[in-house]
Amino acid sequence: KQEVTQIPAALSVPEGENLVLNCSFTDSAIYNLQWFRQDPGKGLTSLLLIQSSQREQTSGRLNASLDKSSGRSTLYIAASQPGDSATYLCAVRHAGNMLTFGGGTRLMVKP
Amino acid sequence: EAEVAQSPRYKITEKSQAVAFWCDPISGHATLYWYRQILGQGPELLVQFQDESVVDDSQLPKDRFSAERLKGVDSTLKIQPAELGDSAMYLCASSSGQGAVYGYTFGSGTRLTVV
Repeated sequence: KQEVTQIPAALSVPEGENLVLNCSFTDSAIYNLQWFRQDPGKGLTSLLLIQSSQREQTSGRLNASLDKSSGRSTLYIAASQPGDSATYLCAVRHAGNMLTFGGGTRLMVKP
Repeated sequence: EAEVAQSPRYKITEKSQAVAFWCDPISGHATLYWYRQILGQGPELLVQFQDESVVDDSQLPKDRFSAERLKGVDSTLKIQPAELGDSAMYLCASSSGQGAVYGYTFGSGTRLTVV
């Protein structure tokens, strides 16, 4: 059974810091990994999708990497801003066309 | 940009009552999912449809939950009777294909509170 873990569960940083969110998964047989953002009480917004054959994807200040063999992904946020405050979820797409989520990292960026 | 539509946005219901949620996926997306997200946790799959067929409902509490996608387009998730523990965010997602290049698009969700 695929299990996804995100560390840390919560993170508070001052504005301007670069930060890294971690995601690990137990079964490396995945199709892709997707990072989502969720604002309080809202749905999920897709940030980045990394296919299993790729190593990283970038969008603006966000960079996601994937090491499939070790079962790890990181989301790097450069020059954090208060507007980045949200919960960040990673999810892996695997056998049976299933998407399994981690528990999320709650990020607060303080002005 | 195409969106997954969900309604209602919020729902408050008394326990033992029936409640229903609606989802309209992005046009042309054959795969539709219902997820439940308890506050502070990641979403968990309830049911997966491929067109009008259920592919996986192993995590759906079938004694009280039902889901249908009759024409392979929009979908309804029903709870009867609702219990206090059903309070959660119910998320619908769709995908246009299977495999590495295809991601999921989520709707805004329905926040259910059972009192």
